[in-house]
Amino acid sequence: EAGVAQSPRYKIIEKRQSVAFWCNPISGHATLYWYQQILGQGPKLLIQFQNNGVVDDSQLPKDRFSAERLKGVDSTLKIQPAKLEDSAVYLCASSFDRGSGNTIYFGEGSWLTVV
Amino acid sequence: GQNIDQPTEMTATEGAIVQINCTYQTSGFNGLFWYQQHAGEAPTFLSYNVLDGLEEKGRFSSFLSRSKGYSYLLLKELQMKDSASYLCAVRDRDYGQNFVFGPGTRLSVLP
Repeated sequence: EAGVAQSPRYKIIEKRQSVAFWCNPISGHATLYWYQQILGQGPKLLIQFQNNGVVDDSQLPKDRFSAERLKGVDSTLKIQPAKLEDSAVYLCASSFDRGSGNTIYFGEGSWLTVV
Repeated sequence: GQNIDQPTEMTATEGAIVQINCTYQTSGFNGLFWYQQHAGEAPTFLSYNVLDGLEEKGRFSSFLSRSKGYSYLLLKELQMKDSASYLCAVRDRDYGQNFVFGPGTRLSVLP
């Protein structure tokens, strides 16, 4: 079974530039998550989708971050304009659904460095 | 709100046993998960507890006490490849069934 796919793996941009990350979840997984992980910290949830609807985006900095999952499959996370503090790994994860026993599976992450 | 606490770093010797603790405060507890994360890699699922007690999976075991808001991950017969960060995560039904992660415990296994 193919895992969660993410691209690009690495990106270096200057502050105030924009960047987009793409995620394709495990086939059949209805729930998709974007997490931000700063070095040395645990992952922090940015947004959760159930199919193509947003369940929770309370921690997404909406002045600069946006995400969409238009057809309920793959998703894009965009940052515009980027700040130095956005340097982190952006992890996409998916689960079959939101039931209590369903674990989430992570992609390899997209490493962002803002200079 | 939610709060999850873990020790920042631990060190143990190859072949030994180590216990990594996690305490949590959350309003809508709906399961506790442990993940392993090697440096530069994505977290991978290790174990899941939703009822009190011990879950055993080979060299790894996880324990949960819901009344105490406490869990631990027990690693036996430590190997060098077990050097990694171990993340405790709680699923919260009052938080959209989302996973809230702790800061992680960085385990170093020494020869």
